[in-house]
Amino acid sequence: GAGVSQSPSNKVTEKGKDVELRCDPISGHTALYWYRQRLGQGLEFLIYFQGNSAPDKSGLPSDRFSAERTGESVSTLTIQRTQQEDSAVYLCASSLDGNGNTIYFGEGSWLTVV
Amino acid sequence: AQSVTQLDSHVSVSEGTPVLLRCNYSSSYSPSLFWYVQHPNKGLQLLLKYTSAATLVKGINGFEAEFKKSETSFHLTKPSAHMSDAAEYFCASNQAGTALIFGKGTTLSVSS
Repeated sequence: GAGVSQSPSNKVTEKGKDVELRCDPISGHTALYWYRQRLGQGLEFLIYFQGNSAPDKSGLPSDRFSAERTGESVSTLTIQRTQQEDSAVYLCASSLDGNGNTIYFGEGSWLTVV
Repeated sequence: AQSVTQLDSHVSVSEGTPVLLRCNYSSSYSPSLFWYVQHPNKGLQLLLKYTSAATLVKGINGFEAEFKKSETSFHLTKPSAHMSDAAEYFCASNQAGTALIFGKGTTLSVSS
């Protein structure tokens, strides 16, 4: 597609349930990023994929969070046993190769845990 | 490790007056630096980026930023604010092969 695509755009889930958020990066982009933005706050880095290198998982807040990427395409962010503090917008972004190229963001997946 | 500090959480200006949003970075190596804007309930939009070319970078909507290595700064400016500039602004830093790290953001308010 023309831009970074994320789904679902909105998700309401019950506390304790697992959720999966999907990101389709721009075709040909080897670098993919996940961020979390809580209401009224800045962007919190979660995880970074670059080509075939081991992902940088240093931003994942707990072991309930995990992400995978299939080759250089789709990525899925999984949150297990969701908690109310997980409520946020989850933003995915991609860039050509992570070396200073422009990083393009998706519209985000709004997650509400009730 | 790299980090980004936005020195002001909130900046208020009058329409037609200059805008200055301050950003300092910390990086072991020469980073690429970015400014993004986020309007309410909208996605992030790139304003401009610095990638070791000209130190004065011009972006969209009349914004520009100057990379000053000696001051480790990358402040965003605009000569004359417009009401439509009211938004959240994020400074970000990216070393080659690492994640893009954001500052906490600056809310720009523009009054008539």
